[in-house]
Amino acid sequence: EPEVTQTPSHQVTQMGQEVILRCVPISNHLYFYWYRQILGQKVEFLVSFYNNEISEKSEIFDDQFSVERPDGSNFTLKIRSTKLEDSAMYFCASREGERSEQFFGPGTRLTVL
Amino acid sequence: KQEVTQIPAALSVPEGENLVLNCSFTDSAIYNLQWFRQDPGKGLTSLLLIQSSQREQTSGRLNASLDKSSGRSTLYIAASQPGDSATYLCAVDTGANNLFFGTGTRLTVIP
Repeated sequence: EPEVTQTPSHQVTQMGQEVILRCVPISNHLYFYWYRQILGQKVEFLVSFYNNEISEKSEIFDDQFSVERPDGSNFTLKIRSTKLEDSAMYFCASREGERSEQFFGPGTRLTVL
Repeated sequence: KQEVTQIPAALSVPEGENLVLNCSFTDSAIYNLQWFRQDPGKGLTSLLLIQSSQREQTSGRLNASLDKSSGRSTLYIAASQPGDSATYLCAVDTGANNLFFGTGTRLTVIP
């Protein structure tokens, strides 16, 4: 069964460093998302991406964040200068159509020291 | 802004019992509602998607209902098993191309 994959599963970085989180959405899906979950808190929306551009973003998704679909299969989230408060589980999700089910990847646990 | 609440925060039941998890949302203008399961330290597994025009959706021992006008959804789990132990999350799609999540109900099924 097709699934969303994410790499790495765990990333440890120093404050101020850049990180890139990678996702491979399900192949026939058109809508892509990043969410994050700080330990013990709700899953929060970061950004949605459709037709090679950002369609929505939350107030969390500031200038330090960017997304890219560099090659038609990967979908990446870049954090330019990480802060301690960026430590969280980051989930990628995708869906086929506008009102269809969202499928989530296993997540990348980001730890900022 | 859409707020999603789940009650109870935690629930512990003996194996075999039927149970109901509750989800409420403040803005009834939704496209759909999705129920997920999350195991500790893991990703989200989609269980059921219920469209705004539907009242119910079933998958195996799971049944989700939706009452859009009152801002409520329930997830009914029949004949619970220890393997059902997990956190259950509901999330609403308001048509703004993202999901608003509840805080979850942590379910423990005791053998």
